[in-house]
Amino acid sequence: GAGVSQSPSNKVTEKGKDVELRCDPISGHTALYWYRQRLGQGLEFLIYFQGNSAPDKSGLPSDRFSAERTGESVSTLTIQRTQQEDSAVYLCASSRLGDETYGYTFGSGTRLTVV
Amino acid sequence: LAKTTQPISMDSYEGQEVNITCSHNNIATNDYITWYQQFPSQGPRFIIQGYKTKVTNEVASLFIPADRKSSTLSLPRVSLSDTAVYYCLALTSGTYKYIFGTGTRLKVLA
Repeated sequence: GAGVSQSPSNKVTEKGKDVELRCDPISGHTALYWYRQRLGQGLEFLIYFQGNSAPDKSGLPSDRFSAERTGESVSTLTIQRTQQEDSAVYLCASSRLGDETYGYTFGSGTRLTVV
Repeated sequence: LAKTTQPISMDSYEGQEVNITCSHNNIATNDYITWYQQFPSQGPRFIIQGYKTKVTNEVASLFIPADRKSSTLSLPRVSLSDTAVYYCLALTSGTYKYIFGTGTRLKVLA
């Protein structure tokens, strides 16, 4: 597609439930990133996928968070047993290999609210 | 990754030039200064990048002095639609783990 697509755009869930957030990167972009942005805060790195290499999961805040990516396309971020502190906007971005310095293309994010 | 420091917020009026300064005292030789813009309910978007001296594109200009310990993003003749958060990053070539601070919240007033 023309841009990075994320779904759903908004998600309200009850504490303790699992949620899945989806990201469709730009076609041809081998690198994919997930960030979390709490209200009024900067972006917090979560995970990075590059082609078939092992992902960098160093930013995942707890073992309740996991992410998968199918080849060089769709990625899913899963949060198990959601807590109120998980409420944030989850942003996905993609880039071409070698273009990282020039920037990512971000999606509009999924706003997650845990009640 | 070099730490960057920028003002938390700024107000301006339509038609004025806005300059946002970013400090990056421990910038490395292979770091690039990169600015992102984020509108409400959207992800950040790349606006400009430079290494030294001056870079200009259709959106902004970026001034980087010889010592590269600071940089200034210049937005000419801002409009209400330039109200956004602006992030300054010092990016190492080949690094993918971008560190975003809280940015500068620019409010353009009529």
